[in-house]
Amino acid sequence: QVQLVESGGGVVQPGGSLRLSCAASGFTFSSYGMHWVRQAPGKGLEWVAFIRFDGNNKYYADSVKGRFTISRDNSKNTLYLQMNSLRAEDTAVYYCAKGDYGSGHDYWGQGTLVTVSS
Amino acid sequence: DIQMTQSPSSLSASVGDRVTITCRASQSISSYLNWYQQKPGKAPKLLIYAASSLQSGVPSRFSGSGSGTDFTLTISSLQPEDFATYYCQQSYSTPRTFGQGTRLEIK
Repeated sequence: QVQLVESGGGVVQPGGSLRLSCAASGFTFSSYGMHWVRQAPGKGLEWVAFIRFDGNNKYYADSVKGRFTISRDNSKNTLYLQMNSLRAEDTAVYYCAKGDYGSGHDYWGQGTLVTVSS
Repeated sequence: DIQMTQSPSSLSASVGDRVTITCRASQSISSYLNWYQQKPGKAPKLLIYAASSLQSGVPSRFSGSGSGTDFTLTISSLQPEDFATYYCQQSYSTPRTFGQGTRLEIK
C-alpha cells in the first residue's frame, strides 16, 4: 500500500534552516509529481511547493519563494524540502502529498511539525 | 492567484441530514476542483477530484458537481463519521489554492 512518511521537523530559531524528508513506498515514486502542503496551528491548508516526476519543474507559493527548495531523489524514493531563513509564520505541520498536474492529492503523509521560535 | 471561497464557514447538522457546501473560484478553473475531508490531528483525505469523480473507497453518499467557477459538495445522508472540516482546492494552476474550510458540526 502507498505510504508517505515525513521526518525532519522540530524547533528552530528564526532565521534558521531545516530540511524535511518524505520517504515514499508502495508506488512508482519516479512516475509522479509530489507536493508539500502545510497547516499552521488551528488554521487551514496552504499549498507550499510542487516538483514534477523527473525533478525538472518546480513551483512555489509566493510566501516561501526564494527561501524554500523542493527536490527529490528518485533512486531513494524520497522527497525533500529545504527551508532556509525561517520565520515564525512558517510554524506549521508540513505534509508531503502525491499528485500530478491537474489532479488531486490522493495520498498524504502523517505530517511533521515545524516550530520556529526563539 | 486564484482565490477559492467556501460557504458556509461552519455548519451544524444532524445525522441523516442532507448537507451542501459550496466553493467559488475567482476565475474559471474548468473542472479542476478537488474536495478533502480532514479530522482533527489527521492528514486530509481526498474525497472528490475533477469536480465530480469519487475517489476510490469513498462512500457514495459523497458527491460533487459544478464547473467553471461554482462547485458543490453534497453529503446525501450524514453519518457520525462525517463530522469534520471540508476543504476545496483548485488544481487548475499553481499556486494550488485551498478554500478556507467548512467545519461541519453535530447539531
